[in-house]
Amino acid sequence: DIQMTQSPSSLSASVGDRVSITCRASQSISNYLNWYQQKPGKAPKLLIYAASSLQSGVPSRFSGSGSGTDFTLTISSLQPEDFAVYYCQQSYSTPLTFGGGTKVEIK
Amino acid sequence: QVQLQESGPGLVKPSETLSLTCTVSGGSISSYYWSWIRQPPGKGLEWIGYIYYSGTTNYNPSLKSRVTISVDTSKIQFSLKLSSVTAADTAVYYCARGSGNYGYWGQGTLVTVSS
Repeated sequence: DIQMTQSPSSLSASVGDRVSITCRASQSISNYLNWYQQKPGKAPKLLIYAASSLQSGVPSRFSGSGSGTDFTLTISSLQPEDFAVYYCQQSYSTPLTFGGGTKVEIK
Repeated sequence: QVQLQESGPGLVKPSETLSLTCTVSGGSISSYYWSWIRQPPGKGLEWIGYIYYSGTTNYNPSLKSRVTISVDTSKIQFSLKLSSVTAADTAVYYCARGSGNYGYWGQGTLVTVSS
């Protein structure tokens, strides 16, 4: 199985901050990397697919980059509605696997 | 707009079989893959498996011996059966559309394994 490691596991930030979350795969996954946002009691929401493609309807302050084993999700200017848990997920091979999550909290 | 809705018992006894159904509305079940993903309380996400509308399946090896996913195109539903459950199978179970990335999810249903 491909292991997905996210860092940090949590972070505190203020509205307007630029925030970056990293995800590392245990082997090369090309660009088969997706990012999700999950709020309490809700299903995950797809933000970014194929490492850098913005899902329809997702604000442009979200962006993704990377290929191979190292990936980054960036929120250019954190908004109040962005406080949530973020997960990366590889779709290179089955079993599909997710990172452990990064909780973005209000400072 | 495609919508998915999970249904099934919220409480299952240890050693019994967990059975859930996902009903799809607002779109066709044909030509798509359909998946199950679960999340234990307070923990991360685990992919269970997927089925193509034609019936081809792919399961997580960690669960493969206990999992069956099936599809009923006439009812526009697909289902999950997980046998011999233990407390470790307590989780919110989500159905979703796709086989790689997931743009459509159900709201999730909590299944508790307890006697």
